[in-house]
Amino acid sequence: KQEVTQIPAALSVPEGENLVLNCSFTDSAIYNLQWFRQDPGKGLTSLLLIQSSQREQTSGRLNASLDKSSGRSTLYIAASQPGDSATYLCAAGTGGTSYGKLTFGQGTILTVHP
Amino acid sequence: NAGVTQTPKFRVLKTGQSMTLLCAQDMNHEYMYWYRQDPGMGLRLIHYSVGEGTTAKGEVPDGYNVSRLKKQNFLLGLESAAPSQTSVYFCASRTYRTYASGNTIYFGEGSWLTVV
Repeated sequence: KQEVTQIPAALSVPEGENLVLNCSFTDSAIYNLQWFRQDPGKGLTSLLLIQSSQREQTSGRLNASLDKSSGRSTLYIAASQPGDSATYLCAAGTGGTSYGKLTFGQGTILTVHP
Repeated sequence: NAGVTQTPKFRVLKTGQSMTLLCAQDMNHEYMYWYRQDPGMGLRLIHYSVGEGTTAKGEVPDGYNVSRLKKQNFLLGLESAAPSQTSVYFCASRTYRTYASGNTIYFGEGSWLTVV
């Protein structure tokens, strides 16, 4: 059974810092790895998706990497802003099909102080 | 630009009552999912559907039933609500088509259910 763990559970940083969020998974036979953002009282918004054959994806100030052999993914946020404050979740796409079933980590609560 | 819409957004039920959560998507997606989110547990898949008229069990299906009579709608039912079903429920959808960049999954804004 796939298990996904995110470290740290919470992170508080001053504005402008570069930061790294970590995600680990137990079963390396993943279809893809996705990072989501969740604002309080809202649904999830997809940030980045890395296919199993890829090593990283970039979108603006966000960069996500994937190392299947070690069962790890990282989300790098450059020059953090107060608007980045949210919960960040990673999810491993598993099942060996294209059905898109996701196994989620518990999330990292990020607070960026002005 | 509705995307994925869930109704109701909030509901309080008494133990033993029944209710149905409705998920509607306007993106013509084939795949739809119901997840529940609990503190410290992340999101867990309850049931999913790969097309109209088909449903399948996810990780935590007990106590729930689903139906997909129309492609755009996915209903989640609680026949006899229990306090353990107090949670935030999220619906999601995606296309079956596989792109080189991967398929984006779209989530609704959640339904807060309290069972007392």
